[in-house]
Amino acid sequence: KQEVTQIPAALSVPEGENLVLNCSFTDSAIYNLQWFRQDPGKGLTSLLLIQSSQREQTSGRLNASLDKSSGRSTLYIAASQPGDSATYLCAVGANNLFFGTGTRLTVIP
Amino acid sequence: SAVISQKPSRDICQRGTSLTIQCQVDSQVTMMFWYRQQPGQSLTLIATANQGSEATYESGFVIDKFPISRPNLTFSTLTVSNMSPEDSSIYLCSALDGAYEQYFGPGTRLTVT
Repeated sequence: KQEVTQIPAALSVPEGENLVLNCSFTDSAIYNLQWFRQDPGKGLTSLLLIQSSQREQTSGRLNASLDKSSGRSTLYIAASQPGDSATYLCAVGANNLFFGTGTRLTVIP
Repeated sequence: SAVISQKPSRDICQRGTSLTIQCQVDSQVTMMFWYRQQPGQSLTLIATANQGSEATYESGFVIDKFPISRPNLTFSTLTVSNMSPEDSSIYLCSALDGAYEQYFGPGTRLTVT
């Protein structure tokens, strides 16, 4: 069964700093990897989808990379803002998704 | 992208009762799913809601406890039956679009007393 781990579990950074969130998975035969953010008490917002044949995706200040051979993905957030404070989840799978435990990010003004 | 709504957004229920959660998608989608997020935990897949046939359940989840319906390509329901306090969780519906991107509803926060 696919296991997904995210490190660190929590991260606190000053506003403006660049940061990297890490995701690792055990089964490299994945189809897709998707990054989400979850605000307290809310559902999930899709940030980036990396399909199996792709290596990275970019959206605004966000860049996600995928290395299937090593079982890793990273989410890079440039010039962090207080509005980026949320829990970030990575998930892997074909149709149904296996979720990591999340990284709780706090950006301090 | 797909926009997903869920009803109710939250509920407080008595032990032994049942609650049906509705999920509506604003466009036709091939696949819909139900997840559970227990307090302080990440998401766990309950089942895949299949249109016109029985849902496909993950290990640890059974139809008698979590009956699911999917009468068409835009709507699904999840019932949490014979509830106990251990069922207190957020229940989320999701849908997969043609580009294999998954979208989630806002969730239903269930508290069982």
